[in-house]
Amino acid sequence: DSGVTQTPKHLITATGQRVTLRCSPRSGDLSVYWYQQSLDQGLQFLIQYYNGEERAKGNILERFSAQQFPDLHSELNLSSLELGDSALYFCASSIRTGGVETQYFGPGTRLLVL
Amino acid sequence: AQSVTQLDSQVPVFEEAPVELRCNYSSSVSVYLFWYVQYPNQGLQLLLKYLSGSTLVKGINGFEAEFNKSQTSFHLRKPSVHISDTAEYFCAVSVHNDYKLSFGAGTTVTVRA
Repeated sequence: DSGVTQTPKHLITATGQRVTLRCSPRSGDLSVYWYQQSLDQGLQFLIQYYNGEERAKGNILERFSAQQFPDLHSELNLSSLELGDSALYFCASSIRTGGVETQYFGPGTRLLVL
Repeated sequence: AQSVTQLDSQVPVFEEAPVELRCNYSSSVSVYLFWYVQYPNQGLQLLLKYLSGSTLVKGINGFEAEFNKSQTSFHLRKPSVHISDTAEYFCAVSVHNDYKLSFGAGTTVTVRA
């Protein structure tokens, strides 16, 4: 158990809908990262938040957005869903030690868009 | 930008045999390197990491990896595998002040009795 929690574990929805994925980082970790794992694209970085502020953006679609709240939990919002958005979405949290960050991953949310 | 290539997509191996998973990276700056394991229907678990110092890194579950700067490699090894090592293994890289991970495509290890 990494200490990172994600809910829900599974999500089934229809095209055009909007969903929210939730992540709670390990106690004391200020950084939260979101990744998408799909069969065709592999593991791809989406976005990073550090202590409530967006720090870095990767291959995140405009239909997707995220935020990190004062209690440091984070939410990833996916809207106007398409079949191709079906994937496993991971959250990771990290703490910076000596200028280096090590990321610990949650169990993921498996999204199926029908 | 940094990138990772995992040279083998699938590695079948017999129980108690050694295994080596190959990983090469590309970066114009110094890197930090990681190996993660994903067991079926689970999240990613950190196996080991190279940050600096000794090039031979020991991790959990008997795995180790060697950082080779001249060959830009970070190969993962285990001298004797168990059935429970059946999983997908990911090599990942990050750099200083850009902490996102760039992952390789993964290597599926299947251990047979």
